[in-house]
Amino acid sequence: DTVLTQSPALAVSPGERVTISCRASESVSTGMHWYQQKPGQQPKLLIYGASNLESGVPARFSGSGSGTDFTLTIDPVEADDTATYFCQQSWNDPTFGGGTKLELK
Amino acid sequence: QVQLKESGPGLVQPSRTLSLTCTVSGFSLTSYGVSWVRQPPGKGLEWIAAIWSGGSTDYNSALKSRLSISRDTSKSQVLLKMNSLQTEDTAMYFCARPDNNYAFAYWGQGTLVTVSS
Repeated sequence: DTVLTQSPALAVSPGERVTISCRASESVSTGMHWYQQKPGQQPKLLIYGASNLESGVPARFSGSGSGTDFTLTIDPVEADDTATYFCQQSWNDPTFGGGTKLELK
Repeated sequence: QVQLKESGPGLVQPSRTLSLTCTVSGFSLTSYGVSWVRQPPGKGLEWIAAIWSGGSTDYNSALKSRLSISRDTSKSQVLLKMNSLQTEDTAMYFCARPDNNYAFAYWGQGTLVTVSS
């Protein structure tokens, strides 16, 4: 299985720029997607195909990367962005990263 | 609009079989696939199984021996069965529909399954 590694937590101030990373154990080309999950809710798709913004998602969110290294960028961060962010690959049978919990200072 | 809704027993005894139903609306199961994804309390997401528009299936290799996914297109339902349940199977179980690039664009609200005697 393709293992996805994310840093567990980040803390930033509103208005700042934050990058969340995801590293794959093998190349997944651009088959990487990003989700936001708030407590008690289902995940919400933000970015698909590494860099494509899902319809209805604010342009503050962007994604980049290919192969094994990917990033999700939020610029500027807003208070409502407090959540856990998961990466997921679809190049092989789907796997998810462990999640990065984003907190605001 | 596209909707998915999970239903299940809530509480299951260890070693028993779990049966979950995902009822969809706003799209046809013969045009789109549906997956099951689970999330233990306070933990990450794990893909379990998928059934595709043509009826073919895929399973998480670690769980494959315990799983069966099927569908009833007349009822717009996807069914998941998992046998030999253990406490570590306690989780929120979501059904989700992949879209562009096989990203999960649509999710149900989830159904909580607790494995306990």
